[in-house]
Amino acid sequence: AQSVTQLGSHVSVSEGALVLLRCNYSSSVPPYLFWYVQYPNQGLQLLLKYTSAATLVKGINGFEAEFKKSETSFHLTKPSAHMSDAAEYFCAVRGGAGGTSYGKLTFGQGTILTVHP
Amino acid sequence: NAGVMQNPRHLVRRRGQEARLRCSPMKGHSHVYWYRQLPEEGLKFMVYLQKENIIDESGMPKERFSAEFPKEGPSILRIQQVVRGDSAAYFCASSPRGSEAFFGQGTRLTVV
Repeated sequence: AQSVTQLGSHVSVSEGALVLLRCNYSSSVPPYLFWYVQYPNQGLQLLLKYTSAATLVKGINGFEAEFKKSETSFHLTKPSAHMSDAAEYFCAVRGGAGGTSYGKLTFGQGTILTVHP
Repeated sequence: NAGVMQNPRHLVRRRGQEARLRCSPMKGHSHVYWYRQLPEEGLKFMVYLQKENIIDESGMPKERFSAEFPKEGPSILRIQQVVRGDSAAYFCASSPRGSEAFFGQGTRLTVV
């Protein structure tokens, strides 16, 4: 079984400040991990993914995430927040290769990021 | 290459009516997933389909909900006799085998 926990349903930062969105996962197999962003009334856009290669993953829009197996974490960071980063962010884990769960994503509850001028 | 297309974007149904949600995957994608997003909640997996086959329907409610992905045409999520609790955003995603899924814009179902 797999699960994802996002710590903090709301995060508020000032423009230019560091963004840190927390994600912890539980997986019985080596995980594939993802961060998605959702703007109001839109679908989900992939920010970045971890697929067992480099533990530090760089994504779009200046975001990156580090896979830490010992902490079962995959936190999302961005050095300097922009107003356009305001959205909801979802961390997700995917089923391993083989079996009927392959490809199925399990999502966290989401974190709403607010950016203040 | 167009993205994942879902229609309609917004759907209003009265209690007891049927809702049909359509999803056209990206070209070359043979795997389709449906997710439901209830207000103030994350996305929950409903069903995973390949052409003409249901692979995993562990997230589908036992009654009133069904899904198909025929050999020709879009994938359909069908909800019979809708109730207010079915009001949600329904997202479709598609992928080729072994890669990440791409999401559609969603269908927002409102049951009145």
